[in-house]
Amino acid sequence: DIQMTQSPSTLSASVGDRVTITCRASQSISGWLAWYQQKPGKPPKFLIYKASDLESGVPSRFSGSGSGTEFTLTISSLQPDDFATYYCQHYNSFPLTFGGGTKVEIK
Amino acid sequence: EVQLVESGGGLVQPGRSLRLSCTGSGFTFGDYAMSWARQAPGKGLEWVGFVRSRAYGGTTEYAASVRGRFSVSRDDYKSIAYLQLNSLETEDTAVYYCTRALTVDGAKYYFDHWGQGILVTVSS
Repeated sequence: DIQMTQSPSTLSASVGDRVTITCRASQSISGWLAWYQQKPGKPPKFLIYKASDLESGVPSRFSGSGSGTEFTLTISSLQPDDFATYYCQHYNSFPLTFGGGTKVEIK
Repeated sequence: EVQLVESGGGLVQPGRSLRLSCTGSGFTFGDYAMSWARQAPGKGLEWVGFVRSRAYGGTTEYAASVRGRFSVSRDDYKSIAYLQLNSLETEDTAVYYCTRALTVDGAKYYFDHWGQGILVTVSS
């Protein structure tokens, strides 16, 4: 099974900051990676697929990059609505797995 | 608007069974694969199970942690996906989410819409 490791687990940042979250796969997944945002008490919201393709309606301050085993989610200028937990998920093969999550909190 | 609504959760004793339902609307249900994920209290997301659309054989996939105990099925006429949970353990306590799965080629799937989730508590 492919393991997904996110870092950091918690990130403290201020509004306007550039934020980068890393997701590493235990083996190559090509570009088969998705990112989700989750706020407390809410279901996850789909952000990015195929490592870098933005879902319709997702603000352009979000971007994804990477291939193979290392991927990043970047928020170019953190907004108040962006404080949440972010998860990566590979879909290279079954079983599908999520990273452990990165909580972005207010500094 | 795509909507997924879960039902059937609640409190159940260890070793017992439960069936969750996910009713989809706002899209042609039969054209999409459907999946279930869960989130234990204060923990991260865990993928649980998956059923392909009829076009891709309607076959299923499961996480190792639930294989043999849980099963996913679908009724395209009713636009409902099911998750049958058998031999429940206290570690199965979680919010269970129904998701719609997108694919380009029938082999790679990711989740573009999620239900609100439903709590399953396994306790004596």
